[in-house]
Amino acid sequence: GIQVEQSPPDLILQEGANSTLRCNFSDSVNNLQWFHQNPWGQLINLFYIPSGTKQNGRLSATTVATERYSLLYISSSQTTDSGVYFCAVERSFGRGSTLGRLYFGRGTQLTVWP
Amino acid sequence: SAVISQKPSRDICQRGTSLTIQCQVDSQVTMMFWYRQQPGQSLTLIATANQGSEATYESGFVIDKFPISRPNLTFSTLTVSNMSPEDSSIYLCSVEPFLAREETQYFGPGTRLLVL
Repeated sequence: GIQVEQSPPDLILQEGANSTLRCNFSDSVNNLQWFHQNPWGQLINLFYIPSGTKQNGRLSATTVATERYSLLYISSSQTTDSGVYFCAVERSFGRGSTLGRLYFGRGTQLTVWP
Repeated sequence: SAVISQKPSRDICQRGTSLTIQCQVDSQVTMMFWYRQQPGQSLTLIATANQGSEATYESGFVIDKFPISRPNLTFSTLTVSNMSPEDSSIYLCSVEPFLAREETQYFGPGTRLLVL
């Protein structure tokens, strides 16, 4: 399968700080998504970003597909940003993977203190 | 996007019993998937639920342990059979909507299962 590595595994911030989360992947992908898993286990879609840059409020993401990495930026962090951030990728079609299957990284556990 | 509900939201079960989890979507979807998240771990795909045919299982998962049904384009069930404490996990269904502008997958709220 495809390897998805996220860093850092844990991140502790003071409210108001900025942070960058990284996702490296080992093969060509046609789908990359960032999720936030809240303390109740719900996976919230943040970005669909197989390439390029997107912004949504205090969050933005950049994927450089040719170099096989993606970055998630969180600015002016809030306590509600706490939780686990997952990067998930779908392998490019025809590379021997189940169509639509997402491969998840191990996540970054973010804790924001007031 | 798609609105997905799962039932039950949580359950505590005795070993040796079975639990059926339901996943309902508010619109027709092309693909439905079932994932497992063991405590403190990432998500792993169990199977793709195929409408009108048998599910497609990933390596390490078998139909006898995780039978899946998908009678139509908006509904699927996953059964966890003959449970053991190792089956304690969050089980999530995900969908990829028809004619999505982007091939985004959406996840249900999950079912938290504890097996004693």
